[in-house]
Amino acid sequence: NAGVTQTPKFRILKIGQSMTLQCTQDMNHNYMYWYRQDPGMGLKLIYYSVGAGITDKGEVPNGYNVSRSTTEDFPLRLELAAPSQTSVYFCASSSGGVNTGELFFGEGSRLTVL
Amino acid sequence: AQSVTQLDSQVPVFEEAPVELRCNYSSSVSVYLFWYVQYPNQGLQLLLKYLSGSTLVKGINGFEAEFNKSQTSFHLRKPSVHISDTAEYFCAVGPSGSYIPTFGRGTSLIVHP
Repeated sequence: NAGVTQTPKFRILKIGQSMTLQCTQDMNHNYMYWYRQDPGMGLKLIYYSVGAGITDKGEVPNGYNVSRSTTEDFPLRLELAAPSQTSVYFCASSSGGVNTGELFFGEGSRLTVL
Repeated sequence: AQSVTQLDSQVPVFEEAPVELRCNYSSSVSVYLFWYVQYPNQGLQLLLKYLSGSTLVKGINGFEAEFNKSQTSFHLRKPSVHISDTAEYFCAVGPSGSYIPTFGRGTSLIVHP
């Protein structure tokens, strides 16, 4: 089982460049999430989605955009990259309901903006 | 709104010693509680969860946690740790009726030989 797959695993960007982090899951989960993880700060929610065509902002959405055209895919777009976006990004999914909070995570995408 | 506090940012222990990682939460509604583990350069994976029923929950790798409603705590314990338990541990709260869990800042467990 693939679970949640993120690409790329590593990326270096220059200030002002744009890129898309890809995330796909094969568990038919309705709920998907993007988090960023900075040392000692835990996980901060960037965006989330409760189903295809529905997305909403999390705690730290500025500088990011998402789309959810299918149940499987939830890409995260970084526009005009800034050094503050240097972080490790995790995509996760959940079946929701009583399993809310039981998330399945990808292996992460480590992004450096120079 | 809910919040999660992990009281220790780092916990060093010797191999085969017992360990407790502390987690307190606040919420105005019923909650589901989770512990996740993150090994170096990997994503998070579920260790155990409390949804309802028995307040003592057993998880993978010999870990267990106890839900204490009066103290709003969900501390994680293991009676004897191994070097391989060295990892970051995250407590999370998922209030009933919400699909956005809140994570604590994490506790780094460092097991020394």
